[in-house]
Amino acid sequence: AQSVTQLDSQVPVFEEAPVELRCNYSSSVSVYLFWYVQYPNQGLQLLLKYLSGSTLVKGINGFEAEFNKSQTSFHLRKPSVHISDTAEYFCAVSWGYQKVTFGTGTKLQVIP
Amino acid sequence: EPEVTQTPSHQVTQMGQEVILRCVPISNHLYFYWYRQILGQKVEFLVSFYNNEISEKSEIFDDQFSVERPDGSNFTLKIRSTKLEDSAMYFCASVQGASDTQYFGPGTRLTVL
Repeated sequence: AQSVTQLDSQVPVFEEAPVELRCNYSSSVSVYLFWYVQYPNQGLQLLLKYLSGSTLVKGINGFEAEFNKSQTSFHLRKPSVHISDTAEYFCAVSWGYQKVTFGTGTKLQVIP
Repeated sequence: EPEVTQTPSHQVTQMGQEVILRCVPISNHLYFYWYRQILGQKVEFLVSFYNNEISEKSEIFDDQFSVERPDGSNFTLKIRSTKLEDSAMYFCASVQGASDTQYFGPGTRLTVL
């Protein structure tokens, strides 16, 4: 079974400051890892994904994440946030064509 | 870029009524899924479908739910007798193969009154 933990339910950060959203996972097999962003009343948009290869993954909107197998983490970072980054961010895992398991989400609030 | 589409975007129904949510997966994809997200909560897996049969389902997916791929393009989720607690956003997803990413549709917001 796979599980995802996002310990921070809300993260306030000032505009142009850096941010890190934490994600830890557990799985008995190698997994694929994802970050999705959800704006209010909208669907899920894929930010970035790790399937294999380089552990540093770059995504859209200036976000990046680093896969750390020894710490079973996949933290999301952005060096300078913008007001438009205010949204909820979901970390997720899957394996092959199996179901995607989502974390509980982190609400990023960018303060002007 | 090909995308998963879902209709309707918003469905309002009375408790006890049947609803059918429709999805058109990406054309060469082989695996199909339904997820739901109750307002303010995380996205939860409901069911996966491959080769015209259910391959996995969650405990949420009880006898009130069914899925079907009636033709070569549509993938539907039916709720036979809706309850208030079925109110949620329902997402369809599809994937081509084992090493691919699941692509999610924009969702259908179901409101049960």
